[in-house]
Amino acid sequence: AQKVTQAQTEISVVEKEDVTLDCVYETRDTTYYLFWYKQPPSGELVFLIRRNSFDEQNEISGRYSWNFQKSTSSFNFTITASQVVDSAVYFCALSEAVGAGGTSYGKLTFGQGTILTVHP
Amino acid sequence: NAGVTQTPKFRILKIGQSMTLQCTQDMNHNYMYWYRQDPGMGLKLIYYSVGAGITDKGEVPNGYNVSRSTTEDFPLRLELAAPSQTSVYFCASSSGRSYNEQFFGPGTRLTVL
Repeated sequence: AQKVTQAQTEISVVEKEDVTLDCVYETRDTTYYLFWYKQPPSGELVFLIRRNSFDEQNEISGRYSWNFQKSTSSFNFTITASQVVDSAVYFCALSEAVGAGGTSYGKLTFGQGTILTVHP
Repeated sequence: NAGVTQTPKFRILKIGQSMTLQCTQDMNHNYMYWYRQDPGMGLKLIYYSVGAGITDKGEVPNGYNVSRSTTEDFPLRLELAAPSQTSVYFCASSSGRSYNEQFFGPGTRLTVL
């Protein structure tokens, strides 16, 4: 069975601080996908990034960066120079690959989420 | 494209009442999903569908039913509402490609009193 653990329930930082959100996952599959979603106070889910299990390159997008390490089954998310608008709940999620004889059908397993509050 | 739409946005039910949460997508996606999000928790899969006429249970299906008569629509039915079903419900769809990025609707906030 798949499992995603976000050990940090809540994080509070002051604007311009860097912050890292941790995500650890468990899966028996060799092909899988990892995701990060943002849920602002308005409640919708905003897709941030997708990573497949064969691509361990770190990725940077503006102030956001992601560190994927298969050896430790982790997919951590860092926000550099945080801003008040970054305040939200952030979810890490795992999906087995669709097809290839599998039956997962891309179902997502979510972590419990990390509440990030950025104070001015 | 409107993407994934859900109605209603909010609903209050009394214990034992029934209702249907509507979900429609206009992206011609084969795969559709229903998740629930309890306070302070991540999303959990209720039901999913891989095409018209094909549905299957997810992690927490008890108390719910679904149908998929068209590609576009995937309604979720609550037959006898219970307080434990108070939650935010999200519908999602995906193309079914290997990377399977899911597109989420805005959610329906349901309270059962």
